Amino acid sequence: DQQVKQNSPSLSVQEGRISILNCDYTNSMFDYFLWYKKYPAEGPTFLISISSIKDKNEDGRFTVFLNKSAKHLSLHIVPSQPGDSAVYFCAATGGSQGNLIFGKGTKLSVKP
Amino acid sequence: NAGVMQNPRHLVRRRGQEARLRCSPMKGHSHVYWYRQLPEEGLKFMVYLQKENIIDESGMPKERFSAEFPKEGPSILRIQQVVRGDSAAYFCASSFVGEETQYFGPGTRLLVL
Repeated sequence: DQQVKQNSPSLSVQEGRISILNCDYTNSMFDYFLWYKKYPAEGPTFLISISSIKDKNEDGRFTVFLNKSAKHLSLHIVPSQPGDSAVYFCAATGGSQGNLIFGKGTKLSVKP
Repeated sequence: NAGVMQNPRHLVRRRGQEARLRCSPMKGHSHVYWYRQLPEEGLKFMVYLQKENIIDESGMPKERFSAEFPKEGPSILRIQQVVRGDSAAYFCASSFVGEETQYFGPGTRLLVL
């Protein structure tokens, strides 16, 4: 039973355009959400996070949007760059949990 | 400012042997988490530790797996009598007290022959 779902296994975008990665969750106890970027043979790198009391958080080219009523969040990368090509994981935590619950990831390819 | 360190980066074991994976958290972090990633899957939580204390081991297999975070030294994830299904990437993460953001190490890739 997946509590965090990333329904698109892959996404291809042209350099300079916007990349939108989506994530859905089912557990209403989640109150903190994170995005990680992962290159092959490396550990996940923290990108950006958002608390459930907000609906948007921005950091440079990265913006995360949270829609609590729809239990949906998205990561926008603009403009996309070839170096953004990686697997992006959505994660959530909350309630009594200390651990993160991860989605299966979306592989982003940014083409020059 | 060293990040989370894990060693070894790669570990090969034969079935029935023991595997020991080590993790040193970021400086100042007192919480350590272990996750496992199987091929084509997301990371799955295994265990959450503070110094000398296991806080949550709900993700740990009941047999053969154990973890510790002693007062001195790194956290250790120990897998006894490894089987082929234990082959995976094992990631350690750490955080400050009271913070939700976890920072990950580079992982240990375990291959069981």
